[in-house]
Amino acid sequence: AQSVTQLDSHVSVSEGTPVLLRCNYSSSYSPSLFWYVQHPNKGLQLLLKYTSAATLVKGINGFEAEFKKSETSFHLTKPSAHMSDAAEYFCVVSDNTGGFKTIFGAGTRLFVKA
Amino acid sequence: GAGVSQSPSNKVTEKGKDVELRCDPISGHTALYWYRQSLGQGLEFLIYFQGNSAPDKSGLPSDRFSAERTGGSVSTLTIQRTQQEDSAVYLCASSPQRSPNNEQFFGPGTRLTVL
Repeated sequence: AQSVTQLDSHVSVSEGTPVLLRCNYSSSYSPSLFWYVQHPNKGLQLLLKYTSAATLVKGINGFEAEFKKSETSFHLTKPSAHMSDAAEYFCVVSDNTGGFKTIFGAGTRLFVKA
Repeated sequence: GAGVSQSPSNKVTEKGKDVELRCDPISGHTALYWYRQSLGQGLEFLIYFQGNSAPDKSGLPSDRFSAERTGGSVSTLTIQRTQQEDSAVYLCASSPQRSPNNEQFFGPGTRLTVL
């Protein structure tokens, strides 16, 4: 069975400092992993995805994530936070069991201080 | 091109009434998902349609919830005898084909408030 755990419900960083949003997953098969971002009053947007190619995945807006199978992790990072990064971030796992149902994490709200 | 659209954007109803929420997916997308997002919560999977296959209804929380997809395009989510705990944002997403690798494209959601 699939599951995904986002280890922090809230993360607060100062502008210009690194961002780390943590995600651990469980999947019976080789999973596909995604990070989505939801800005206030806006729809969900894909940041990046891992689909069994390169383990280090680069996404939009300077974000990247590394798939670590041994640690069952897919943490999201960015070297330098910008005020516009303040949003809710969701880690998502999907595999080819159960009809490709996708499982969303509970979300991590990122606050960026000036 | 046009993205996923949902209507209405907001719906306020009284407890016990039925509501219908509509989703227009991106043209040509064969997969369609419904999710529910309660205040401060993540997305809860409700139902998944893929082409003409039987839908995956495993996420529907009760028999008051149902959904259909006509002609492989537009989908309607119906909630009968609404309860206050049904208050949430209902999100629809579509995807080009049946694969776990595919990005889902989300609509803006319908905010449902049950008084």
